[in-house]
Amino acid sequence: EAQVTQNPRYLITVTGKKLTVTCSQNMNHEYMSWYRQDPGLGLRQIYYSMNVEVTDKGDVPEGYKVSRKEKRNFPLILESPSPNQTSLYFCASSPGGGANTEAFFGQGTRLTVV
Amino acid sequence: QQPVQSPQAVILREGEDAVINCSSSKALYSVHWYRQKHGEAPVFLMILLKGGEQKGHEKISASFNEKKQQSSLYLTASQLSYSGTYFCGTEGWNNDMRFGAGTRLTVKP
Repeated sequence: EAQVTQNPRYLITVTGKKLTVTCSQNMNHEYMSWYRQDPGLGLRQIYYSMNVEVTDKGDVPEGYKVSRKEKRNFPLILESPSPNQTSLYFCASSPGGGANTEAFFGQGTRLTVV
Repeated sequence: QQPVQSPQAVILREGEDAVINCSSSKALYSVHWYRQKHGEAPVFLMILLKGGEQKGHEKISASFNEKKQQSSLYLTASQLSYSGTYFCGTEGWNNDMRFGAGTRLTVKP
C-alpha cells in the first residue's frame, strides 16, 4: 500500500531532550517536507527536500534539523526541544521534483514538550 | 507570507452551496486545495497550475485567477461528508509551500 509513515504517533518529552521523528515513504517520491500544525495557524512548512542530499528551509525552521540521506526517509530532529515546539507534525511527500503535484501526508505526530 | 483564507468558518445545511476564498500577496505559481477531517491527515482535492484554470471534483470545483492572485473553492449541494477544514496552499518560486490558516466547514442535516 502506498503510504507515508511517521513514527511515533504521540510523544511526550522534556525540555532539552533530543528527539527524532521518523518519516518514510514507499512511493519513490522526490519531494518531501515537514509541517507543523497549530490552532488558527494552519500548516506551516518547516523544511523541505527536493531530492537526496538537498534540503531547504521552509517558513519556520528554527529549532529543527532534517536530513535526506536516502530517497525514502526524511527524519525531523529536535536537538533541544522547547515547550513552544509542542504541536502536531505532518510529513508529506510528492512525486516529481517540485511542489506542484499532489502531496501525500503521513498520519501525524502529536508532540508535547514539558 | 501565508495566503489568507476566508471565511474562517461556515455552517451549512445539507444541499446548500459554499465558496471558500484564498488570496496571496505574492505571485502564485500553483494553488493546492486540501481537506482535513478532525484527527486525520490532510487529503488532496486538486491543484490549479495556470491562471484561469478551473477544475472539478464531483461537486467540488475551483478556479484560479492568477492576475488577482486568488483562488476560490466551490462546494455545491453540500453533503455531510464535506465537513472538515479546507486549506489552500500556494507554491513559491523555489518550490516551498505555504498554507492558509484553514476554513472550517460544518454541514448539518
